[in-house]
Amino acid sequence: EPEVTQTPSHQVTQMGQEVILRCVPISNHLYFYWYRQILGQKVEFLVSFYNNEISEKSEIFDDQFSVERPDGSNFTLKIRSTKLEDSAMYFCASSVGSRVQYFGPGTRLTVT
Amino acid sequence: AQTVTQSQPEMSVQEAETVTLSCTYDTSESDYYLFWYKQPPSRQMILVIRQEAYKQQNATENRFSVNFQKAAKSFSLKISDSQLGDAAMYFCAYMRGGSNYKLTFGKGTLLTVNP
Repeated sequence: EPEVTQTPSHQVTQMGQEVILRCVPISNHLYFYWYRQILGQKVEFLVSFYNNEISEKSEIFDDQFSVERPDGSNFTLKIRSTKLEDSAMYFCASSVGSRVQYFGPGTRLTVT
Repeated sequence: AQTVTQSQPEMSVQEAETVTLSCTYDTSESDYYLFWYKQPPSRQMILVIRQEAYKQQNATENRFSVNFQKAAKSFSLKISDSQLGDAAMYFCAYMRGGSNYKLTFGKGTLLTVNP
């Protein structure tokens, strides 16, 4: 069964550095999402992406964040200048439009 | 803003028994969807069951069923004949209707299944 994959599984970075989290959605899916979960807190929506543009974003998704689908298969989340509070598990998801989202295993981002 | 509350941080059940996980939500919308997702240890979240708000009939998927009380804004998950493989974190989630596909999650309930 097709799955959403994410790389890396764990990323450690220093405060102020740029990070790119990568996701490969399921191939025939049209909608793409990023969520994050800070340890001990709820899974929070960051952004949704459809037809090569952002369709919705949360207040968390400020100018430090950007998303891209560079080559028709990958979907990336870039954080330009990481802060300590960006440490979290980041989940990518995709859907074909049926309202059922398929999630990847997550990337644990640790900012030191 | 919509909120989802799971009041049970942890639950446990004996193998083969039945357990119910609670979820309440707050919304002023009439068109919405509710979901239960399961996240086994170190694995991705997978959909367990979903409910459309306009449907009065409670959704069922094999051993999993929901008790959807729209007026009370309650959406509990019942797991019958619990199996060891049911041990996981369970998240309740809400999605507004229309073209908005954003999920709002509860904090999750960690279910332990005892042999």
